[in-house]
Amino acid sequence: NAGVTQTPKFQVLKTGQSMTLQCAQDMNHEYMSWYRQDPGMGLRLIHYSVGAGITDQGEVPNGYNVSRSTTEDFPLRLLSAAPSQTSVYFCASSWGQGWTGELFFGEGSRLTVL
Amino acid sequence: AQSVTQLDSQVPVFEEAPVELRCNYSSSVSVYLFWYVQYPNQGLQLLLKYLSGSTLVESINGFEAEFNKSQTSFHLRKPSVHISDTAEYFCAVSDRTTSGTYKYIFGTGTRLKVLA
Repeated sequence: NAGVTQTPKFQVLKTGQSMTLQCAQDMNHEYMSWYRQDPGMGLRLIHYSVGAGITDQGEVPNGYNVSRSTTEDFPLRLLSAAPSQTSVYFCASSWGQGWTGELFFGEGSRLTVL
Repeated sequence: AQSVTQLDSQVPVFEEAPVELRCNYSSSVSVYLFWYVQYPNQGLQLLLKYLSGSTLVESINGFEAEFNKSQTSFHLRKPSVHISDTAEYFCAVSDRTTSGTYKYIFGTGTRLKVLA
């Protein structure tokens, strides 16, 4: 039962470096999303996707890019990392576009930008 | 746009005592509400949800929440907590976008610490 898989679990970057956080789900979910979790701020939506080829911005999209070429994968790219992007990142998925049920979360990716 | 407010950032409570974690949301025509729980170093898990029907919803481990439309609230309660309930609890709302899809908005979370 893989569910939602995120890699890497931990990453340290220097300011200005780029990287991609990977997210894959094996539940055939149409809806996928990325959140960042910061102390006292809860979870904030970065980007989301309602199906392959369709993405949209959330609350805090600046500094992040996403693409959705397949149903299974939804990578999050940091083009030029900044210390303000130090956070724990969660990928989550759910059923179809109109579904209002459960979000399934990955275990998180802890990113530190020096 | 929808917003979710969790008024208490931390709630300490003694074991076997009752607890209420508060959640308020901004008004909307259609509201779908959720409580998620996050144990240390883990992702979030669904605790319970309100989509329609009975305004009182329950989880399998003794938590319950009541949807109150007039007060735009969805408070989480448990009559008797255990040490194992120590975790962070997030209230969330499913917000319909202008394109007809949904996105989930979370509150800032409440840390429940159960004391022996």
